[in-house]
Amino acid sequence: QKEVEQDPGPLSVPEGAIVSLNCTYSNSAFQYFMWYRQYSRKGPELLMYTYSSGNKEDGRFTAQVDKSSKYISLFIRDSQPSDSATYLCAAHGSSNTGKLIFGQGTTLQVKP
Amino acid sequence: EPEVTQTPSHQVTQMGQEVILRCVPISNHLYFYWYRQILGQKVEFLVSFYNNEISEKSEIFDDQFSVERPDGSNFTLKIRSTKLEDSAMYFCASSQRQGETEAFFGQGTRLTVV
Repeated sequence: QKEVEQDPGPLSVPEGAIVSLNCTYSNSAFQYFMWYRQYSRKGPELLMYTYSSGNKEDGRFTAQVDKSSKYISLFIRDSQPSDSATYLCAAHGSSNTGKLIFGQGTTLQVKP
Repeated sequence: EPEVTQTPSHQVTQMGQEVILRCVPISNHLYFYWYRQILGQKVEFLVSFYNNEISEKSEIFDDQFSVERPDGSNFTLKIRSTKLEDSAMYFCASSQRQGETEAFFGQGTRLTVV
């Protein structure tokens, strides 16, 4: 069983739509979760960082963690064409060495 | 804004040659990492490094790989004898603390082994 799973998409939405991106994870020891945005052939750019269960909001972005179901979500409100990218969820591995375990990434296209 | 910088952006090498990928982490960060991403696949952890030693390494990080912090600012990944399957994007990352904290990534080095 993969430790972090993510539907690779692609996901195509019209500009202004609310986007929901999701991941599941298998290891209940994971406590810290991150969302990265990656443009083609570029490095992952940190968007959001959350601890345990709950919500965190930053502008148009909201990250949500539900530890009971091992489910991680990222919501993007009022999506823009510039949001078109691949979104990677990641969890800190249980070894506490800083190792991140990534999902496959979901490719998002926001059409004008 | 502080950032992780990597050089070169693209490296082409012949199979069997040694390559060194270079990274300058964010200046007040103490923990350093290498990841790789084969085209179309997920970002995979290679190694974490702190206080001049490896904290953790993955199964990918075999004897052909080594890391070094030669001068207090650079952090390097050496692949001793490259194979075709080493072709990938290699990302350096750094963080202020170990474990549960934000990690910031560089733009990557695209390694092509021919």
